[in-house]
Amino acid sequence: GAVVSQHPSRVICKSGTSVKIECRSLDFQATTMFWYRQFPKKSLMLMATSNEGSKATYEQGVEKDKFLINHASLTLSTLTVTSAHPEDSSFYICSAERGRNYGYTFGSGTRLTVV
Amino acid sequence: KNEVEQSPQNLTAQEGEFITINCSYSVGISALHWLQQHPGGGIVSLFMLSSGKKKHGRLIATINIQEKHSSLHITASHPRDSAVYICAADTGNQFYFGTGTSLTVIP
Repeated sequence: GAVVSQHPSRVICKSGTSVKIECRSLDFQATTMFWYRQFPKKSLMLMATSNEGSKATYEQGVEKDKFLINHASLTLSTLTVTSAHPEDSSFYICSAERGRNYGYTFGSGTRLTVV
Repeated sequence: KNEVEQSPQNLTAQEGEFITINCSYSVGISALHWLQQHPGGGIVSLFMLSSGKKKHGRLIATINIQEKHSSLHITASHPRDSAVYICAADTGNQFYFGTGTSLTVIP
């Protein structure tokens, strides 16, 4: 149990376009979902925390208008990279919290390349 | 078989004890990450390793590429170290996560 599906696994887009990444908890309801980014040769960086039905909480330095996070249901959170630029090329990973005593489950990540 | 195996699953220690958490992986990696999660919080990245050893305060992480094994050590453990520790194998294209080690340090 406790599977998180992240889609797509790879995406290439043109500069100026928007890309949506989905994170779904398949067999549990996720009270909280987290979005992370990995810069090349760097470790994971927390971008934002989202709770179902409320606005996401962004970490300092993360542009809210650029990285739109929607947590419309207890099983789905989406990250939309708007007006993508090459510097947005990165590896994005989501994780979902099933509940405080159950820990976290990670998606397998999305490799975004902006050309 | 999981690509990343972590042990132990649960660990209880007395304050001051030296703690070791082990991680074995079967995939080719560009880096091995050690992550920490406190209850109710997001993941904190502790180390990213591609070879050798790294130290940060009381935390030490080592990796043996040939044996595909990494260890996380905590010296002079403290109750605030109580958390779940996760190792993650970074292949460059994808992450594979261990199931985590839940550490409880008792005063």
